Amino acid sequence: RKEVEQDPGPFNVPEGATVAFNCTYSNSASQSFFWYRQDCRKEPKLLMSVYSSGNEDGRFTAQLNRASQYISLLIRDSKLSDSATYLCVVNFGDMRFGAGTRLTVKP
Amino acid sequence: NAGVTQTPKFQVLKTGQSMTLQCAQDMNHEYMSWYRQDPGMGLRLIHYSVGAGITDQGEVPNGYNVSRSTTEDFPLRLLSAAPSQTSVYFCASSYFRNEKLFFGSGTQLSVL
Repeated sequence: RKEVEQDPGPFNVPEGATVAFNCTYSNSASQSFFWYRQDCRKEPKLLMSVYSSGNEDGRFTAQLNRASQYISLLIRDSKLSDSATYLCVVNFGDMRFGAGTRLTVKP
Repeated sequence: NAGVTQTPKFQVLKTGQSMTLQCAQDMNHEYMSWYRQDPGMGLRLIHYSVGAGITDQGEVPNGYNVSRSTTEDFPLRLLSAAPSQTSVYFCASSYFRNEKLFFGSGTQLSVL
């Protein structure tokens, strides 16, 4: 089993749609979780941290389910500019990255 | 507002050549790290440092060396380049280990 696993997609959605990504992780002792965004040929940039109680930042909502060892990212009212690859990152002592889920938002 | 600066952006090497990828940060971060990113795979940790004078291996350290003589700089050395080292390399830093990472813009390396 991969340490951090994501659905690779691609997800193709129309503008305005709601889309959700899931990520599973193998280390139950992990204490910190993040979602990063990566545009084509660019560096990853932090989108949001994921807290135990769940957290929201504008159109983005992140959830953590420790019992099932997964985190999720919900994007509401998708914009063209949301097109990117979304990376799930889990602390295993060092940060471990999922391979990413590619999202394309179409007009 | 430089953040994390990586050079070069692109490099082509022949098998067996050596080179150094440079990484510098101006945020006074204690933790610095190097990742490689290959198609279809997540970023994989090569080496990391928790402070000046301290380095350790990550998941895929073979064929690479690092040193950390100052807080700001963390160069990555390829000792004898191999085609399997063709990849995109990212340097990243954070205040402390396991905190959110800030990335450099990456180096695309091709080994022929």
